Amino acid sequence: GAGVSQSPRYKVAKRGQDVALRCDPISGHVSLFWYQQALGQGPEFLTYFQNEAQLDKSGLPSDRFFAERPEGSVSTLKIQRTQQEDSAVYLCASSLDLEESQDTQYFGPGTRLTVL
Amino acid sequence: QKEVEQDPGPLSVPEGAIVSLNCTYSNSAFQYFMWYRQYSRKGPELLMYTYSSGNKEDGRFTAQVDKSSKYISLFIRDSQPSDSATYLCAMSVVTGANNLFFGTGTRLTVIP
Repeated sequence: GAGVSQSPRYKVAKRGQDVALRCDPISGHVSLFWYQQALGQGPEFLTYFQNEAQLDKSGLPSDRFFAERPEGSVSTLKIQRTQQEDSAVYLCASSLDLEESQDTQYFGPGTRLTVL
Repeated sequence: QKEVEQDPGPLSVPEGAIVSLNCTYSNSAFQYFMWYRQYSRKGPELLMYTYSSGNKEDGRFTAQVDKSSKYISLFIRDSQPSDSATYLCAMSVVTGANNLFFGTGTRLTVIP
């Protein structure tokens, strides 16, 4: 089946604009994660959903960042009043949320956001 | 200080060489250790997954975890040009729905 998909793949925004990034997880995956990957760095956790519930948003860098997953499948990461430091690749990952043994997070290709 | 440290490289080796990639970490609660491979402009893909200390082998890849030293390694034997990518170590406290802590990534180039 299809993997995790993200759209748009590339987004250029002027400073101060709002942006919305979409993630379509693998069908049936309960857990969904958003990560931010700055240039030359590893991904850093932003937020986590279990179905439609946002259980952890401790990684969101400011209140300009907002994520939702209203029906427990597609998720949107919204960034308000974008700043240059928001420029990064935003990765979405999903997993089955198995309680035992290995539970793998499958990553999408990411959305590369550039704020001018 | 970051919880997971990884030498960013870059690392260049000739085809057929043995590659050694390493990470250190500070949080003794980490129990699950992973290596991801990330090609340019792609998302990370899982290569190896290890629980607690020990070795795990999968084809040309061997992952080692030494919890007493807080040190993990990935060895690639008979490296191929197709192995050229960024290798990210990642770890978590529990399995399942838990955010991953990643290293910076090591950029590897295998020269034909």
